[in-house]
Amino acid sequence: LAKTTQPISMDSYEGQEVNITCSHNNIATNDYITWYQQFPSQGPRFIIQGYKTKVTNEVASLFIPADRKSSTLSLPRVSLSDTAVYYCLVGDSSASKIIFGSGTRLSIRP
Amino acid sequence: GAVVSQHPSWVICKSGTSVKIECRSLDFQATTMFWYRQFPKQSLMLMATSNEGSKATYEQGVEKDKFLINHASLTLSTLTVTSAHPEDSSFYICSPGTGHNEQFFGPGTRLTVL
Repeated sequence: LAKTTQPISMDSYEGQEVNITCSHNNIATNDYITWYQQFPSQGPRFIIQGYKTKVTNEVASLFIPADRKSSTLSLPRVSLSDTAVYYCLVGDSSASKIIFGSGTRLSIRP
Repeated sequence: GAVVSQHPSWVICKSGTSVKIECRSLDFQATTMFWYRQFPKQSLMLMATSNEGSKATYEQGVEKDKFLINHASLTLSTLTVTSAHPEDSSFYICSPGTGHNEQFFGPGTRLTVL
């Protein structure tokens, strides 16, 4: 499973756009990129997944450059409730297990 | 998405006792179950992978005789922390294997050992 590197923490303010970048230099051809969100004392929750270019859903966008060695999770107009830890994971569709990296602790201020 | 439940959501026990944590996948059948634990301010650490009807596979450093995993059915897996000690206090999370990249996680069980 490809190792990922993310910033340990980020701060932002309500209403701002937040971009969290994840490096995965050893990503394999069959690997997808998946982001999870975790609030304190809760299990992680799926946010978004992509393979290449751009993916958008109702909560976030995921930008993946052509070389796929990094990806950026974009949260538009964050609110206080977006304060959480965000994990970037890479793996193929037959991944037998999910290994979490350190994650990014995002703090949103009023 | 899949619905996963854990019971209990929190438990406090005395040192030396055993605690059983249940994980249920409510709307699909999971042949595989992943068990994680998470210490404060840290990431999730995979403890073991269980397959329905067979023995669990434990990650390096996880004692299989201390953390007993039973995956007797496609909708229920249990983790028993035997002879719990304060250092076992942690947040335990299960995740049924879905066979694809979108995984679903249980709400977690907070174990506090006095």
